[in-house]
Amino acid sequence: QTVVTQEPSLTVSPGGTVTLTCASNTGAVTSGHHPGWFQQRPGQAPRALIYSTSNKHSWTPVRFSGSLLGGKAALTLSGVQPEDEADYYCLLYFDGARLGVFGTGTKVTVL
Amino acid sequence: QVQLMESGGGVVQPGRSLRLSCETSGFTFSNHPMHWVRQAPGKGLEWLAVISYDGGSHYYADSMKGRLTISRDNSKTTLYLQMNSLRPEDTAVYSCVRGMVRGIGLDSWGQGTLVSVSS
Repeated sequence: QTVVTQEPSLTVSPGGTVTLTCASNTGAVTSGHHPGWFQQRPGQAPRALIYSTSNKHSWTPVRFSGSLLGGKAALTLSGVQPEDEADYYCLLYFDGARLGVFGTGTKVTVL
Repeated sequence: QVQLMESGGGVVQPGRSLRLSCETSGFTFSNHPMHWVRQAPGKGLEWLAVISYDGGSHYYADSMKGRLTISRDNSKTTLYLQMNSLRPEDTAVYSCVRGMVRGIGLDSWGQGTLVSVSS
C-alpha cells in the first residue's frame, strides 16, 4: 500500500519561513509524481496552491513555492501571514498519473 | 466563475448504496478530467477516483475499488459517483474536484456532501 507522509505539525512565527515536506514509502519523489499542494482552513474546502512540483495557480500568493528537496516534495512558505494558519496536504500521482494519493497532512500554526 | 455543487448525501444503512451527483457550471465541463475526494470527520483527504474528459477512462483508489463507479454526463455537465456496499468507515464528506486541462493536477473544489453510514 502506498503511503505518503507529511510532518504532523509545524509552528512558525509571523514573517518567518517554513518548509513542509511530502515523502513516499515507494521511494524518492520525483517530478513524475506531479506533486501538488493544497491548503485547507477550518470549515472550508481545500484550495489548490501548487501543481506539478512548482507551478502556481493564478490565485496562489507569491510567498508559496514548491520544489523537490532530498527525495521529497516540498512546500515553502516565506514571509508567513496569520491567514496561512491551516492544514496543508500534498498529492502525488502514481501508475502513470492514473492514481492519486494524498499525504497525511501538516497542521501549520502561526504563533 | 467555476461552480461545483455536490448532492445526494445523507444517512444510509450499512450495506446499502448511494449515488452522488456534482452539478457544474462556469467552465467547459467536457474539457476537464474530474475527480472525487473524500474526508472523514477530523481526518485527512483521500483521493477516490478520476474520470477522463470524455468518460472513456476511469481509475479508482484501491481502498474502495470494486464498490465505486465514477461516471459523467457531458450534456448535463454533471459528474456522478455510485457507491455500493457502504460501510460505517465510508462516513465522510465527498467532494468533486476539477482536474486540469493543461498539466496534471486539481484546481477547483466543491463544498462537498456528507455521507453518514449508520444503522
